[in-house]
Amino acid sequence: QTVVTQEPSLTVSPGGTVTLTCASSTGAVTSGFYPNWFQQKPGQPPRALIYSTFNRHSWTPARFSGSLLGGKAALTLSGVQPEDEAEYYCLLLHPGAWVFGGGTKLTVL
Amino acid sequence: EVQLVESGGGLVQPGGSLRLSCAASGFSFSSYWMTWVRQAPGKGLEWVANIKEDGSEKYYVDSVEGRFTISRDNAKNLLYLQMDSLRGEDTAVYFCAGGNSGCEYWGQGTLVTVSS
Repeated sequence: QTVVTQEPSLTVSPGGTVTLTCASSTGAVTSGFYPNWFQQKPGQPPRALIYSTFNRHSWTPARFSGSLLGGKAALTLSGVQPEDEAEYYCLLLHPGAWVFGGGTKLTVL
Repeated sequence: EVQLVESGGGLVQPGGSLRLSCAASGFSFSSYWMTWVRQAPGKGLEWVANIKEDGSEKYYVDSVEGRFTISRDNAKNLLYLQMDSLRGEDTAVYFCAGGNSGCEYWGQGTLVTVSS
């Protein structure tokens, strides 16, 4: 059973930069897992931010960027805004089984 | 405007069944994989199942394999999740999702509570 691991929580100051990561128990995360990133605020459904490692959806602000970093998928937020406080989930598309990470609670303080 | 609207949730006893539906509009439903994702109260997201554009391929998380069945009706732009032999651990909000990359668009979710 594949486990996908994210930082449980991170704190960033407004205007700062933070990187969230997403690791797989099967080994290095590659573009072949088509990493996706989602943002979820309390009481709302998830909102897609990034697909296939680094591609933004049309509604995704430019301050969100996706990459591969040291064998993990990464989501970097630059110039963090107060409204970016939320839970962030990664999703890896393993063949025949998609797996979400446990989520990172991002606090903007 | 893209819309995904789930329905069919509710309270069901352990061992019971429910059928969830998801009505899609505003995008080319028949051109994309569709997915069910659930979220237990206070917990993270869990992928449940997905289905290829033409219904020819279906995949399930191990914990629901043999109990849940995903299907779709492309003529009616509807996605379904038949849930049988329900257990307490199936209690969650169930979201349908789809579009390019698999989870581009999301519904608001429907709550399934399994309890006696």
